[in-house]
Amino acid sequence: DAKTTQPTSMDCAEGRAANLPCNHSTISGNEYVYWYRQIHSQGPQYIIHGLKNNETNEMASLIITEDRKSSTLILPHATLRDTAVYYCIVSSYGNNRLAFGKGNQVVVIP
Amino acid sequence: EPEVTQTPSHQVTQMGQEVILRCVPISNHLYFYWYRQILGQKVEFLVSFYNNEISEKSEIFDDQFSVERPDGSNFTLKIRSTKLEDSAMYFCASSDPISGRGTDTQYFGPGTRLTVL
Repeated sequence: DAKTTQPTSMDCAEGRAANLPCNHSTISGNEYVYWYRQIHSQGPQYIIHGLKNNETNEMASLIITEDRKSSTLILPHATLRDTAVYYCIVSSYGNNRLAFGKGNQVVVIP
Repeated sequence: EPEVTQTPSHQVTQMGQEVILRCVPISNHLYFYWYRQILGQKVEFLVSFYNNEISEKSEIFDDQFSVERPDGSNFTLKIRSTKLEDSAMYFCASSDPISGRGTDTQYFGPGTRLTVL
């Protein structure tokens, strides 16, 4: 699977949109971009995934560039409970293992 | 909303003892997984399970580990003879590729913290 690159950490203001970047320049055509988060050693929580088109659900929006080499997860109105490690993972359908990196430690500041 | 559950939440054991970690995957899911996370480190894949057999395992999943689906609802991870370095959070996950829009999104349980003394 393609490797991803994320910032090690970032701060976001409570109530503002949080934009979390991810680079995946070696992504191949059949690979999806997944986002998970982990709040303080709890189980990873699925957020959203996409292939080419932008996606939105009740938690977040995912913007994938046209060349698919990078993406941005958008938390529209960050709350303190959004403080977590966010993982951007690239994986193809049928690939059993999710390869978690170190992720991006996001701290939402009041 | 359906969720993956795991028991116990915390297990303390002596080195060399056998432990069984239990998981109840989401009911209509067909694929099951175990991951572990040593304190301060990444989440690591251990094994995936489908149709009553292992479909993939990592280099971590050696002969001291085994998985089983003993009935229609539970999925277990057994560690035969625990070592100090087995101390970690163990996460179970499940997925349903049929309804997942062509992807197999994995949903994780809350984890079992295993402490080996």
